[in-house]
Amino acid sequence: NAGVTQTPKFRVLKTGQSMTLLCAQDMNHEYMYWYRQDPGMGLRLIHYSVGEGTTAKGEVPDGYNVSRLKKQNFLLGLESAAPSQTSVYFCASSYLTVTAYRYFGPGTRLTVT
Amino acid sequence: DAKTTQPNSMESNEEEPVHLPCNHSTISGTDYIHWYRQLPSQGPEYVIHGLTSNVNNRMASLAIAEDRKSSTLILHRATLRDAAVYYCILSPTGNQFYFGTGTSLTVIP
Repeated sequence: NAGVTQTPKFRVLKTGQSMTLLCAQDMNHEYMYWYRQDPGMGLRLIHYSVGEGTTAKGEVPDGYNVSRLKKQNFLLGLESAAPSQTSVYFCASSYLTVTAYRYFGPGTRLTVT
Repeated sequence: DAKTTQPNSMESNEEEPVHLPCNHSTISGTDYIHWYRQLPSQGPEYVIHGLTSNVNNRMASLAIAEDRKSSTLILHRATLRDAAVYYCILSPTGNQFYFGTGTSLTVIP
């Protein structure tokens, strides 16, 4: 049982390039989330999904797109990367209950130059 | 979204108890209180959560004030592995889950 995994672990992009971050979970969780964490800050919610084929905006969605084509995968896309998107990105998943706690992945460190 | 206030940093000696406070004066009746911690260079991990009553698990205890406007996470015997940033989060539903800046705990050997 691998839990929540993220690919890649590190990436450096030039301004304007695009990329996709992959999150996978093997716990059959309904909910999945993408967060970003800037230095010295807490996590901020980018997008989330309440089930296969659904997505919704979080606190800071601009500049990102997401897709949940399979229940176990949640993709985060940057169409045209900007230096302001330099951050550590965390994926999480949870069961479908009010008190469900989130399982987090190890993070992807993205630098945009 | 309901706000929480935590001290920026705290220190504790190894093997002593640690009390991490959180103020949430605008909490509503349906808000659960969650605690997560984030070890260096890792994703956050769940610690404990509660609604009205005090809670215990193998990692920690959660003491909730009678008026629910504050809570305290208690680590009974701090170890070096407990050095982390601790987040107190209020959540009325599974989606509304906002992290603040948390309390950075330093454990002194």
